[in-house]
Amino acid sequence: QKEVEQNSGPLSVPEGAIASLNCTYSDRGSQSFFWYRQYSGKSPELIMFIYSNGDKEDGRFTAQLNKASQYVSLLIRDSQPSDSATYLCAVNREDSSYKLIFGSGTRLLVRP
Amino acid sequence: DVKVTQSSRYLVKRTGEKVFLECVQDMDHENMFWYRQDPGLGLRLIYFSYDVKMKEKGDIPEGYSVSREKKERFSLILESASTNQTSMYLCASRRRDRVNSPLHFGNGTRLTVT
Repeated sequence: QKEVEQNSGPLSVPEGAIASLNCTYSDRGSQSFFWYRQYSGKSPELIMFIYSNGDKEDGRFTAQLNKASQYVSLLIRDSQPSDSATYLCAVNREDSSYKLIFGSGTRLLVRP
Repeated sequence: DVKVTQSSRYLVKRTGEKVFLECVQDMDHENMFWYRQDPGLGLRLIYFSYDVKMKEKGDIPEGYSVSREKKERFSLILESASTNQTSMYLCASRRRDRVNSPLHFGNGTRLTVT
């Protein structure tokens, strides 16, 4: 089992819809979770991080963390074609404050 | 804004060559990382460093070494390049004192080994 798993997609949604991206992780002690967006040919850029159970909202983005079930999700409301990218979930291992482990990413396609 | 600069955007090297990938950050971050990114495999950690002259192996260190002589600079070395090291290489840095501090990435170096 991979440490961080994501569905590779592509996830295709129409413009204006809610896109829901999911990520599961295996290390029960993980504490910090990050969502990165990566456009084709570019490096990843941070969208959100979440540290405790519950939801965190930032503009059109909401991150949800459920530690008991070991999953974290990213909701994108009012999806725009410019949101089309690969979304990477990253998890901070409990045994190290340094290393982030990444999932392989979910490709999102927002249709105009 | 944090700036992480990788010296080359594209590199083409021959099998057996020694290859140096350079990375410099300007935010006094203690931690620096080298990842490689391949389709379907995501980002995989090669090496990281948590202080000058300190380094630890990541998940795929074989065939690589690193050097950190100054805090702002972290170099990845391919001792004898092979075709299976053709990949996108990403350098990143991060503060050490906060567990929720994000990684800041450079623009990446696309290395082709022929």
